Amino acid sequence: GQQLNQSPQSMFIQEGEDVSMNCTSSSIFNTWLWYKQDPGEGPVLLIALYKAGELTSNGRLTAQFGITRKDSFLNISASIPSDVGIYFCAGPTMNRDDKIIFGKGTRLHILP
Amino acid sequence: DTGVSQDPRHKITKRGQNVTFRCDPISEHNRLYWYRQTLGQGPEFLTYFQNEAQLEKSRLLSDRFSAERPKGSFSTLEIQRTEQGDSAMYLCASSLAGSGNLGGYTFGSGTRLTVV
Repeated sequence: GQQLNQSPQSMFIQEGEDVSMNCTSSSIFNTWLWYKQDPGEGPVLLIALYKAGELTSNGRLTAQFGITRKDSFLNISASIPSDVGIYFCAGPTMNRDDKIIFGKGTRLHILP
Repeated sequence: DTGVSQDPRHKITKRGQNVTFRCDPISEHNRLYWYRQTLGQGPEFLTYFQNEAQLEKSRLLSDRFSAERPKGSFSTLEIQRTEQGDSAMYLCASSLAGSGNLGGYTFGSGTRLTVV
């Protein structure tokens, strides 16, 4: 079945550093979604991407829809402590519009 | 508050007991989803409703699990004869079908189930 592979699994960075993470799939997606999950909470949608090559920003976050439609990237600039959490990529399974599958997440830790 | 509400936030139960969780979606959303999330994993799809119709169930949803959305508004997820492997975060999400581009779901804060 379809799978989303996220890397890295976890990151330890210093406050103020930029962060880059990615998500790949063996199959084509026509929508890419990036969510963030804080401890003990549900995921919250950060950015949605709908076109190959699209680059979209949300504050310090920037995400890109890969040209091959099989990958996506999320960058965070000038990280701050509240960026700590788990970042998930997600997309519609079998390109349906009614069900989303998730990667396993990238865990971001910020060192004091 | 117009977000997705889940109750309870935490549930500790003894193995073999039945538990029921409730989800209240965003009122104008006609689709409601249940996902399960175990430690170190992303959310895994369990089932979803469009209005009151249950349109799909994952093979993860064994016979001990049942979900309902009787009036197309709130939903309940019941687990009978709980097992330790059922310990997880159960997430509910809602969305509006036919709203154009897939804009993602709005998730609730989840119900953390611990089976002891």
